[in-house]
Amino acid sequence: RKEVEQDPGPFNVPEGATVAFNCTYSNSASQSFFWYRQDCRKEPKLLMSVYSSGNEDGRFTAQLNRASQYISLLIRDSKLSDSATYLCVVRPNQGGKLIFGQGTELSVKP
Amino acid sequence: DGGITQSPKYLFRKEGQNVTLSCEQNLNHDAMYWYRQDPGQGLRLIYYSQIVNDFQKGDIAEGYSVSREKKESFPLTVTSAQKNPTAFYLCASIKPGGVNEQFFGPGTRLTVL
Repeated sequence: RKEVEQDPGPFNVPEGATVAFNCTYSNSASQSFFWYRQDCRKEPKLLMSVYSSGNEDGRFTAQLNRASQYISLLIRDSKLSDSATYLCVVRPNQGGKLIFGQGTELSVKP
Repeated sequence: DGGITQSPKYLFRKEGQNVTLSCEQNLNHDAMYWYRQDPGQGLRLIYYSQIVNDFQKGDIAEGYSVSREKKESFPLTVTSAQKNPTAFYLCASIKPGGVNEQFFGPGTRLTVL
């Protein structure tokens, strides 16, 4: 089983749609969780951290379920500019290395 | 402006040649990382360094070497022993404490002919 596994893509959605990405992780002792965004042929950039109580940043909502070892990212009112690959990232222990999922590609169409 | 620079952006080499990828940061971060990304795959850790003059192997270190003589610099050498070196290479550093966000350089796309 992969340490971090994401929904296979690509997701093709119309503008204005709501889309959700899921991610599971294998290490139950994992400490920190993130969503990164990667545009085509560019470096990943932090989209948002994921907190235990769930957190929202504008149209983006991240949820963490420690019991099920599951993270989600919800994007509301999709924009063309949301088209990118979204990487689920887990840190197994404080200060340790990051483990990246394989990414889920999102394509938002007019 | 603080950040991470990688050079060159595109690099072509003949099979059997060693090649060194540059990574420099002026963020005053202690920890630096090298990742490899292949099409449709996530990032895989090659080497990382938590402090000057110290570094550890990541998940796919075979065929690679690094040095960390200065805090600002963490060059990666892709040796001829690396069986499939063509990939997108990303360098990152991390700010200690807080969110522990990793900052990435723009990457070097290496093609071995």
